[in-house]
Amino acid sequence: DTGVSQNPRHKITKRGQNVTFRCDPISEHNRLYWYRQTLGQGPEFLTYFQNEAQLEKSRLLSDRFSAERPKGSFSTLEIQRTEQGDSAMYLCASRHSGGEETQYFGPGTRLLVL
Amino acid sequence: GDSVTQMEGPVTLSEEAFLTINCTYTATGYPSLFWYVQYPGEGLQLLLKATKADDKGSNKGFEATYRKETTSFHLEKGSVQVSDSAVYFCALTGGGSNYKLTFGKGTLLTVNP
Repeated sequence: DTGVSQNPRHKITKRGQNVTFRCDPISEHNRLYWYRQTLGQGPEFLTYFQNEAQLEKSRLLSDRFSAERPKGSFSTLEIQRTEQGDSAMYLCASRHSGGEETQYFGPGTRLLVL
Repeated sequence: GDSVTQMEGPVTLSEEAFLTINCTYTATGYPSLFWYVQYPGEGLQLLLKATKADDKGSNKGFEATYRKETTSFHLEKGSVQVSDSAVYFCALTGGGSNYKLTFGKGTLLTVNP
């Protein structure tokens, strides 16, 4: 069990560019969650998957955001036409449905939009 | 909707002092309650949890009791150490099948030697 991994750990981009983040959950965890954390705030829910199905999206997830989990394993979160307000830490977590409720978090990807 | 309110920080204590971080919640149904900790430069880690009323979660000397009557889940430790310096987040999973976490804003704890 290697834990949840996220790549890249840091990303600096210019406003208007597209960025993509990757999350590799703990193997056999069929639920995967994305959260966003801004400075001085707690993480806020963005979306979650059960296997490859995206089952819920927050209103925080504008049309510029898209998430996929094509084979029910790793997931990607893409932000198109980035804005300065997108600067945040993007966190991924996973858990196994039917088991304990604990979500295990990755180290996060810190995005800075200039 | 669900919400979590935790005491504002930062909190600064001397080593071996008693710690309390207050947390109250609003939720429909019967939430599970969690404390997560974020050490400097690291990801969120589960510290303890409680899944039903009157349950006490405990880990590493920290404790919190699920109080349904006061909708609270206060975090306590009898004697803090410098290594406990971190940001502490209270969180809940509300009703429904998605088990998404709703977090408080976090409380920064600094313990001085």
